[in-house]
Order: sequence, then structure tokens, then C-alpha cells
Amino acid sequence: TQLLEQSPQFLSIQEGENLTVYCNSSSVFSSLQWYRQEPGEGPVLLVTVVTGGEVKKLKRLTFQFGDARKDSSLHITAAQPGDTGLYLCAGDENTDKLIFGTGTRLQVFP
Amino acid sequence: DVKVTQSSRYLVKRTGEKVFLECVQDMDHENMFWYRQDPGLGLRLIYFSYDVKMKEKGDIPEGYSVSREKKERFSLILESASTNQTSMYLCASSLPWTSGSFSYTDTQYFGPGTRLTVL
Repeated sequence: TQLLEQSPQFLSIQEGENLTVYCNSSSVFSSLQWYRQEPGEGPVLLVTVVTGGEVKKLKRLTFQFGDARKDSSLHITAAQPGDTGLYLCAGDENTDKLIFGTGTRLQVFP
Repeated sequence: DVKVTQSSRYLVKRTGEKVFLECVQDMDHENMFWYRQDPGLGLRLIYFSYDVKMKEKGDIPEGYSVSREKKERFSLILESASTNQTSMYLCASSLPWTSGSFSYTDTQYFGPGTRLTVL
């Protein structure tokens, strides 16, 4: 089973700071999804990136899919306490199943 | 609004007990999944079902079984619970993957999770 490694595993920052979360694999994916999971809830899809090199923006969140489609990054500008949660990347191998990353737990303090 | 519900938010069981976790989705999705979530390990797939009465083992099926008698319902069964099965269990559903030029695996919709403790 291939793995999707996320870094950092934990991130604790002050409101207003910028941050980047990385998702890396040795394998190529057809697409990559990013989910956010808040305490007591299941993960919720944020975005899907499909094309190598693709960049998608969702308000203060910027998602990038690597040119080789093996890695992705999530950049948050001016983080807010509401961004607190567990961020999960998930790779698609052209099947019904997803390969989930190890997760990055973000805490944003006011 | 899409909805996936799980029968319990918290469950405490004793070693050796048979445990049933139920999941229901109201989106008419073909695919349903059971994951367990442990710190630092992300989500690991236990079982996957792509149709009624159809199932496929995931990465960690040992100690678990599943049942899908109706499209909307997918049950996870721990035949004899053990302490190493203490975890957060998440159910999800999705539409099936379809081939095409720009096809990709569809969004998975998750339930709120069941935190199971086995004593």
C-alpha cells in the first residue's frame, strides 16, 4: 500500500500568520483531494486538483498539484482560528478508493 | 443536503464482545466505506462496498466484517472486540468512479464518526 506523507504533522500558529502544508508520495495520482476535519466531525472536502501544476484558490487557501502529480501543497494566508482542524490529503488512483495522507493538525490561536 | 449518519458517537465495549457499527446515507450512493482513524496514521480503509451485497477488503480487514443488505446501509462488525480496536471509526459514501478523459474519484462524504473504546 502506498503512503501519502504529510508535513508537518502538527502546526501551532498565531492568527494572521501564513502556513504551508505538504503532501508527498512516490507514486503518481490521477487527482488529489484535500479535506478538513473539525473536532467531532468527519472530514469535509475542500478541493480537488486534477491537472499537474494546477493551482486552485478557495478564499485564503491556495492548493497546488505538483507538475509530476506526486505531491501537493496547501497554503493558508493570514490564518484565522476558524481554520483550526485536521487537514488530510487524499490521492486518487483511478479507482473508487482514495489513499489518505497521515494528516496535519493545525491550531490557530487568537 | 447530503447526509451520512452513524448509529453512535461514543461506544464503550468489553474485550470479546460483538460490536455493530451502523452507517446510513441518504444520497443513493453506490459506494460505501469504513475507515479507522488513529493519530499519525491518517485514515485506513477497513472495507469497501460498491453495491448491495458486494464488498472488498481494504488495507486492514483483519478482525472486522461488513454487511450491506440495503443500498443505504453499511454495517461494520467486530466479531470479538479487542483493545487494539479502540479507535475512531468513520463511514463514508460516494458515487462510483467512471472512466473518461478527466474522470477522477468522486468526493467522499463522511459521517461524524464513532469513537469506540474497548476495555
